[in-house]
Amino acid sequence: NAGVTQTPKFQVLKTGQSMTLQCAQDMNHEYMSWYRQDPGMGLRLIHYSVGAGITDQGEVPNGYNVSRSTTEDFPLRLLSAAPSQTSVYFCASSYRDGSYEQYFGPGTRLTVT
Amino acid sequence: GESVGLHLPTLSVQEGDNSIINCAYSNSASDYFIWYKQESGKGPQFIIDIRSNMDKRQGQRVTVLLNKTVKHLSLQIAATQPGDSAVYFCAENRLDDKIIFGKGTRLHILP
Repeated sequence: NAGVTQTPKFQVLKTGQSMTLQCAQDMNHEYMSWYRQDPGMGLRLIHYSVGAGITDQGEVPNGYNVSRSTTEDFPLRLLSAAPSQTSVYFCASSYRDGSYEQYFGPGTRLTVT
Repeated sequence: GESVGLHLPTLSVQEGDNSIINCAYSNSASDYFIWYKQESGKGPQFIIDIRSNMDKRQGQRVTVLLNKTVKHLSLQIAATQPGDSAVYFCAENRLDDKIIFGKGTRLHILP
């Protein structure tokens, strides 16, 4: 049982490049989410999904796309990277009951130059 | 806008003492409030949650108190240990499936 996995762990992009951050979970969780964490800050919700085929916007969705074609996978796409997207990105998953006790992945540290 | 926030960015506590971490929220419609612990270089880890119709909930060495009158949430850690050193976040689970985090409090343990 691997839990929530994220790849890559580190990534450097040039402004304007696009890329996909991968997230997968093997706990059969309905709910998945993406957060970004800037230095010394809290986590801000980018997008979330309550099940396969359903996604919705969080607090800071601009510049990011998501899809949820399977229960296990929830990739985050950066369409045209900007320096303001330099951050640590966390993916999380949970069952849709109670408080949605989320299990977080180890994070992807992204730098945009 | 509506947000979850914290009163203190850093809290220093003597080892063995009790720690109290506070959080203010503004969204009255949230169903659950949750505390997470984040150690350096890792993702947040669930500690304890409390439903909006409760005032208090206890776990192992931790207690969460909810005061809906003043929209205040606190996390009490008993007999603080070096391993408790981390950043603590409160979060709220809103009825629209959004789970929103506050800015965090860094807990520093003094020997």
